[in-house]
Amino acid sequence: RKEVEQDPGPFNVPEGATVAFNCTYSNSASQSFFWYRQDCRKEPKLLMSVYSSGNEDGRFTAQLNRASQYISLLIRDSKLSDSATYLCVVATTGNQFYFGTGTSLTVIP
Amino acid sequence: NAGVTQTPKFRVLKTGQSMTLLCAQDMNHEYMYWYRQDPGMGLRLIHYSVGEGTTAKGEVPDGYNVSRLKKQNFLLGLESAAPSQTSVYFCASSRGTSADSEFFGPGTRLTVL
Repeated sequence: RKEVEQDPGPFNVPEGATVAFNCTYSNSASQSFFWYRQDCRKEPKLLMSVYSSGNEDGRFTAQLNRASQYISLLIRDSKLSDSATYLCVVATTGNQFYFGTGTSLTVIP
Repeated sequence: NAGVTQTPKFRVLKTGQSMTLLCAQDMNHEYMYWYRQDPGMGLRLIHYSVGEGTTAKGEVPDGYNVSRLKKQNFLLGLESAAPSQTSVYFCASSRGTSADSEFFGPGTRLTVL
């Protein structure tokens, strides 16, 4: 079983739409959770950390459900510039990071 | 402040050749990592280091060696390259506390013929 599983998509949504990505992780002892964004042929970059209480950064909202071992990312009012691959990342004790295979998003004009 | 840098950016090798990829970070981070990224596979950890002079195996270490002689540098070596090692290699670093995220270098695209 993979440490982190994501729906690979692709998600093709019109500008202004709301889109949600989900991710599950297998290690109940995981400590830290993140969403990264990766543009084509570029390195992953941190989008936001995910906290137990849920957190929001502008149009982006991340949620963590430890009981279900589930992480989500909600993007509201999608922009063309949001087109990218979104990686779910889980860190264990000892700072080992496990990456999902990514969910591809294309925002269409 | 350059963050994480990697050299070279691109390289083509023939089967059996050797090479070293260099990663450097100027953020005084304790932890450094080498990943490979293949289509449909996501990022997979090759080796990592929790501090100067230390290294440890990740998920896919076979065919690679690493060294961390200086805190700011983490080298990845391929002693005898194979076509299966054709990939994009990313280096990353982090401070090492549980809440810290990773910072990535721009990647090295390696093709082994």
